Amino acid sequence: QSALTQPASVSGSPGQSITISCTGTSSDVGGYNYVSWYQQHPGKAPKLMIYDVSNRPSGVSNRFSGSKSGSTASLTISGLQAEDEADYYCSSYTSSSMVFGGGTKLTVL
Amino acid sequence: QLQLQESGPGLVKPSETLSLTCTVSGGSLSNSNYYWGWIRQPPGKGLEWIGSIYHSGSTYYNPSLKSRVTISVDTSKKQFSLKLTSVTAADTALYYCARHQLLVYFDYWGQGALVTVSS
Repeated sequence: QSALTQPASVSGSPGQSITISCTGTSSDVGGYNYVSWYQQHPGKAPKLMIYDVSNRPSGVSNRFSGSKSGSTASLTISGLQAEDEADYYCSSYTSSSMVFGGGTKLTVL
Repeated sequence: QLQLQESGPGLVKPSETLSLTCTVSGGSLSNSNYYWGWIRQPPGKGLEWIGSIYHSGSTYYNPSLKSRVTISVDTSKKQFSLKLTSVTAADTALYYCARHQLLVYFDYWGQGALVTVSS
């Protein structure tokens, strides 16, 4: 299985919105509504931000939202804040297996 | 609050076997919705799923690592373990254990254990 494709980096100013894409195939992202997104600050463990494409766990800000169209999933962060600066990873279920994206570094300017 | 903690040697010699254990506290390993997984992250690189296990012992492995990986569970000790054989420098990474909800997402993570493969 190949890693999902994410942009290496995205940036935005405080208050703006950004979107991170995650492209897979019909065998993973396109075949199941089981995309999840993780935020990772330097030196910390990943934190679940979105599961099942668009659901937020309890305690995650509603500034984070997820969606999917075909084999591409997206994470949108609105009202960017300095604390959002981190690496973001998407992941998808695929036939009793899991695959991650390569990660996207978000810089808040 | 569920907590997971990885433990094991931080240094392994090439060609030997990497062994890690994850101890779970604040919850049960035996809930029907939960699987338990291992994920690794080489220094400065992205995440890679290694495999997951159900409390019954059913296992699911990354096809690219399957020939070298064994994951086991001991529900009485609230632990699950990872063994990775024939390691090379490419297996140097931060190894995380995590709860694998319904086998589709990871909702609780350990802090990670750095394992270096070097002679």
